[in-house]
Amino acid sequence: GAVVSQHPSWVICKSGTSVKIECRSLDFQATTMFWYRQFPKQSLMLMATSNEGSKATYEQGVEKDKFLINHASLTLSTLTVTSAHPEDSSFYICSARPRGLDYNEQFFGPGTRLTVL
Amino acid sequence: GQNIDQPTEMTATEGAIVQINCTYQTSGFNGLFWYQQHAGEAPTFLSYNVLDGLEEKGRFSSFLSRSKGYSYLLLKELQMKDSASYLCAVMDSNYQLIWGAGTKLIIKP
Repeated sequence: GAVVSQHPSWVICKSGTSVKIECRSLDFQATTMFWYRQFPKQSLMLMATSNEGSKATYEQGVEKDKFLINHASLTLSTLTVTSAHPEDSSFYICSARPRGLDYNEQFFGPGTRLTVL
Repeated sequence: GQNIDQPTEMTATEGAIVQINCTYQTSGFNGLFWYQQHAGEAPTFLSYNVLDGLEEKGRFSSFLSRSKGYSYLLLKELQMKDSASYLCAVMDSNYQLIWGAGTKLIIKP
């Protein structure tokens, strides 16, 4: 149980295009989903926290107009990188906190590797 | 500020035991997590401690001392597949995970 999927696994795009990444909790409902970015040899950096039915909360320094997050349902959140540039190339990982879990574990998706040319 | 400290890199021998330490200073405490992350993959959950003491799960154990702001992950009977980064993360009073930079563990035959 507690499986989180991400799609796509990897994507290569041209500079200036937009890329959408989906995060789904497959066998549980998630009240909260988190989006992280990880650059090579660095730790996870939280970008935003997404609650179903409400606006995402972005971390300081993360442009909300560039990284659009939509938490449409209790099992789906999407991250859209708008007008992507080479410096946006990174490993994007989502995680989901199950609804009603009596402790605070987050379950991670497999990640999406974005390369912007 | 909030910070999590753990060694950058450690080396150990196959079959041996290794202890990875983590110290933290955070705004509030709602538990400490250890994750394993292989290169190019997402983190996978190893352990969760919210009370002081030792939690044992197979070859892996995790210890917590809240008064000292200290935890360690103990890996026994090391296998080559244990070569990975080990991430310490603390959940603060806002239920946000504060991440350490990770410890890269290299296992040698």
